[in-house]
Formats: sequence, C-alpha cells, structure tokens
Amino acid sequence: DTAVSQTPKYLVTQMGNDKSIKCEQNLGHDTMYWYKQDSKKFLKIMFSYNNKELIINETVPNRFSPKSPDKAHLNLHINSLELGDSAVYFCASSQGEPNTEAFFGQGTRLTVV
Amino acid sequence: GNSVTQMEGPVTLSEEAFLTINCTYTATGYPSLFWYVQYPGEGLQLLLKATKADDKGSNKGFEATYRKETTSFHLEKGSVQVSDSAVYFCALKEAGTALIFGKGTTLSVSS
Repeated sequence: DTAVSQTPKYLVTQMGNDKSIKCEQNLGHDTMYWYKQDSKKFLKIMFSYNNKELIINETVPNRFSPKSPDKAHLNLHINSLELGDSAVYFCASSQGEPNTEAFFGQGTRLTVV
Repeated sequence: GNSVTQMEGPVTLSEEAFLTINCTYTATGYPSLFWYVQYPGEGLQLLLKATKADDKGSNKGFEATYRKETTSFHLEKGSVQVSDSAVYFCALKEAGTALIFGKGTTLSVSS
C-alpha cells in the first residue's frame, strides 16, 4: 500500500493549459508539501500545509495554487502553463515535531510543449 | 537563511571502493540532518538521519555523524556496490520549516 501517492506520474501538455496534480497520503501525517525538482535535480520547496492550513508559501508564481480538502490530500493546480514549468513535482508528508523526516511520493514529470 | 552545500558530482567509483560525500550546512537554530537517496525514475527515500550534535545515523552500510563544530554531515560507506548508484541528497530541517536540500551528488558505481 503506497504511503504517499501522486497522480498522474507523467503529464504532457501544451503551453497555456491548466492542469492539476493530485496527492494523497495514508500515513496519518498532519503536514504535506510540494517540491519542484528541476532538470539539474535541484529540489526546492514550493508549499507546505499543516492540517489543511497553508504554512509555507515560497516565491512561487501565483499561477500555482495548492488546495488541501483534508489533511490526507494536497493537490496542486497550475494555470496558464509555461515552458519553464517543466519539471518533476514531488509531494511529501511528515508528522510531528521536532524535525521529523518527510516521506515522498514517486513524483509527477510535467512536460510543457 | 538556512542552506546546505554538497560536493559536486558526479562521483565515479569501482565496486567495493570507499565512499565519502561531503555535506556542510548553515542554520540559525538546531536542525535535524538527513541523507536521502533517489534511484533513477523514483522518488526520494530517507537513507539516514541525525537529530542532534554527535548523533550518528546509519543504514544499509551508510553512516553520517552530525558534527556541530564543523557544521558537517558527511556520508560514508566502506564498500559500495553497483546497486548504490543513485543521486544522494543532504538536507536539513528546523522545527516549523520544510526540508532544505543540497544540490545532490550523483554516484556511479561500476563492477
């Protein structure tokens, strides 16, 4: 049973389209994250939610909007996709403080053409 | 702000060689430190962690010691295998924040 699952695994779309990536965790964690991994493998935090509340919002274009319907789900919606949005997006979750590790999904490879 | 610096890769080794991947960090508080591994086409998996100074994390033959005096958390393994080929990420986390990653080090092990 997958702990953190993302769908879809691959997403190819045209510039200007709107797309969503879904994430679900069955670990009972209270904090979820979205990370972006660029072509050089660099990982950067985008958003973090704790019990459905946004707690971290890094410098991300407002075309990206996270939504957390409950603490087990954190979806990422992207409007007006651009070529530079092409990357691998990872969802992750963690529980408790202080300083516990995060568990990652398998990633969604987004390609904008 | 907080940051993590890893040695640049790629690192290319023969099977059974000794591995060291250097990692240093900058933090304002008292972070926990982590090593994650990413195999091709997969997500990140926790390899090991240490939550306070002088702690040693270990797993699958890999070790790293939290050195506060040198702000370092170097990853070591005595004898690497082909199956260890992957990208390794050093990361830190303080309470109330997300993981901050280094740029990753690609390890390639040949038989």
